[in-house]
Amino acid sequence: AQSVAQPEDQVNVAEGNPLTVKCTYSVSGNPYLFWYVQYPNRGLQFLLKYITGDNLVKGSYGFEAEFNKSQTSFHLKKPSALVSDSALYFCAVNYGNEKLTFGTGTRLTIIP
Amino acid sequence: DAEITQSPRHKITETGRQVTLACHQTWNHNNMFWYRQDLGHGLRLIHYSYGVHDTNKGEVSDGYSVSRSNTEDLPLTLESAASSQTSVYFCASKGSPQETQYFGPGTRLLVL
Repeated sequence: AQSVAQPEDQVNVAEGNPLTVKCTYSVSGNPYLFWYVQYPNRGLQFLLKYITGDNLVKGSYGFEAEFNKSQTSFHLKKPSALVSDSALYFCAVNYGNEKLTFGTGTRLTIIP
Repeated sequence: DAEITQSPRHKITETGRQVTLACHQTWNHNNMFWYRQDLGHGLRLIHYSYGVHDTNKGEVSDGYSVSRSNTEDLPLTLESAASSQTSVYFCASKGSPQETQYFGPGTRLLVL
């Protein structure tokens, strides 16, 4: 069964520092990988996705993620964190069927 | 612009009552999904549909039902509301597996 893990419930980063939010996926075929962000009292917003091709994917708000097949990871990164990046982040995986499977989410807090 | 809407945004009901949450999308997507979001559980799939007259159970379907009579709408019905169904409910839609899944703004349901 497809699955995705976000090993950290909470990540704290000082403003201006680089940030990483981790995601690993189960090994089964060729995954399609997604990152979503949720701000308080809002729905999930799409950030970026990896389907095929270049392993480094760039998305909205300066975020990027690197698909690493050998480590089965798809970590979300940003070179310089902003206080406005504070939110709940979800990784999701799909193996060519229609359903996305979501991780449990990581709460990112950027400290001024 | 295409969008996905949910109504109502907030609902208070009593145990035992039937409740229907509406979801409407103008993306012309075949695939629609209902999730609930609870603290500590992330997003859990309730029901989903791959097209008109198609419905499928997700991981937490007990006590819920859906029907799909057209492409645009997938209403979620709580047959007899229970306090355990107090949650935030999100509707989503997507096209092919590679395409982005879009979420509605959510419905906050309180069952007293």
